[in-house]
Amino acid sequence: EVQLVESGGGLVQPGGSLRLSCAASGFTFSSYWMSWVRQSPGRGLERVASIRHDGISKYYLDSVEGRFTISRDNAKNSLYLQMNTLRAEDTAVYYCAKDSGWYRFDTWGQGTQVTVSS
Amino acid sequence: QSALTQPPSASGSPGQSVTISCAGTSSDVGAYNYVSWYQQHPGKAPKLMIYEVTKRPSGVPDRFSGSKSGNTASLTVSGLQAEDEADYYCSSWVGTNSVIFGGGTKLTVL
Repeated sequence: EVQLVESGGGLVQPGGSLRLSCAASGFTFSSYWMSWVRQSPGRGLERVASIRHDGISKYYLDSVEGRFTISRDNAKNSLYLQMNTLRAEDTAVYYCAKDSGWYRFDTWGQGTQVTVSS
Repeated sequence: QSALTQPPSASGSPGQSVTISCAGTSSDVGAYNYVSWYQQHPGKAPKLMIYEVTKRPSGVPDRFSGSKSGNTASLTVSGLQAEDEADYYCSSWVGTNSVIFGGGTKLTVL
């Protein structure tokens, strides 16, 4: 069974940092682009960051560029999102998603809540 | 890039058909045949229902179909069932480094 399981969310103060992790199973992780997609009531769904199967190419939402870093460890079938200098507007449920081409997200994790508040 | 425009709500009775629109521009929906649709039940992750405008992933009922005309894509749900009640989101590929989503449509089965 293809599965993605996120972890690492929580409550953090503005300006703080969090590292999200996503454990993948049931497919050849090293063959696929992977993305982080977030969802909040005010901003809807947003693709936050994407990384190529070999980790060489990375793309970011403009508002997180320079603050967030996406990475992967194909040996561990894991995807990461390092989030620094967090802002209130980063509050959302963060999903890990498998991309089967042209941003076709065919598998999603269960999501992890990130809340940025003092 | 602005979000794609979807009606906030749609509804239909069991057995009926309902169509949800997704309006974009000539730079996104109108430019590429890479429109996807996702279904999301409360508290759950989105689920891919349609990709590349008209294609259905394995396991998605053929009651779900997609189409596109100009800058507007559409999702049609035929033979509505109670379990189809959910939020639906469209998305469009807008280049190697970007994808945009619609604001979502809440489908109610009356």
